Amino acid sequence: AQTVTQSQPEMSVQEAETVTLSCTYDTSESDYYLFWYKQPPSRQMILVIRQEAYKQQNATENRFSVNFQKAAKSFSLKISDSQLGDAAMYFCAYRRKAGNQFYFGTGTSLTVIP
Amino acid sequence: DSGVTQTPKHLITATGQRVTLRCSPRSGDLSVYWYQQSLDQGLQFLIQYYNGEERAKGNILERFSAQQFPDLHSELNLSSLELGDSALYFCASSAGGYQETQYFGPGTRLLVL
Repeated sequence: AQTVTQSQPEMSVQEAETVTLSCTYDTSESDYYLFWYKQPPSRQMILVIRQEAYKQQNATENRFSVNFQKAAKSFSLKISDSQLGDAAMYFCAYRRKAGNQFYFGTGTSLTVIP
Repeated sequence: DSGVTQTPKHLITATGQRVTLRCSPRSGDLSVYWYQQSLDQGLQFLIQYYNGEERAKGNILERFSAQQFPDLHSELNLSSLELGDSALYFCASSAGGYQETQYFGPGTRLLVL
């Protein structure tokens, strides 16, 4: 079974600094998708970034980028120039290419310190 | 705004009761997914429907059921409610087939007293 592990329950970062959130996953598949979702205090789940496993280039969305290490089954999220609005719970998620179900990690709570 | 709508936003009920949560997917999306998020917990996948048919089932209790209607909206029915069913219930939609991204609704917060 696929599992997603986020080993950092809580992280903090100074405003304007950079922070990296870790995620590892377990799979025997060769093609799949990985995602980071953000859940602010409003509890809305917001897609931050996604990565297709067959693409070697790391995905980037403005201040958010990933470090995808396929062999190591690692998918970390880097937030640059952190802003107060980045404070949220961040969930890493995995989906098989030929599957339907998403597998979510347990989340990392990010605090941004002014 | 993801384009996925859920009603009601909040629901307070008593143990033993039955409630229905409603979800309307994004325009054009054929797949609907239901998740449960208990306090300070991750998301637990409950069930998926694609174009009216059940496609995948996760950790959904027998007291819970769902369906997707011809207009593609979906309902999650929770019966014989227990205190432990208090949670945030999310609906998500995707275009269907192997489209890879799910878009989440704002959730329904259920409190069972």
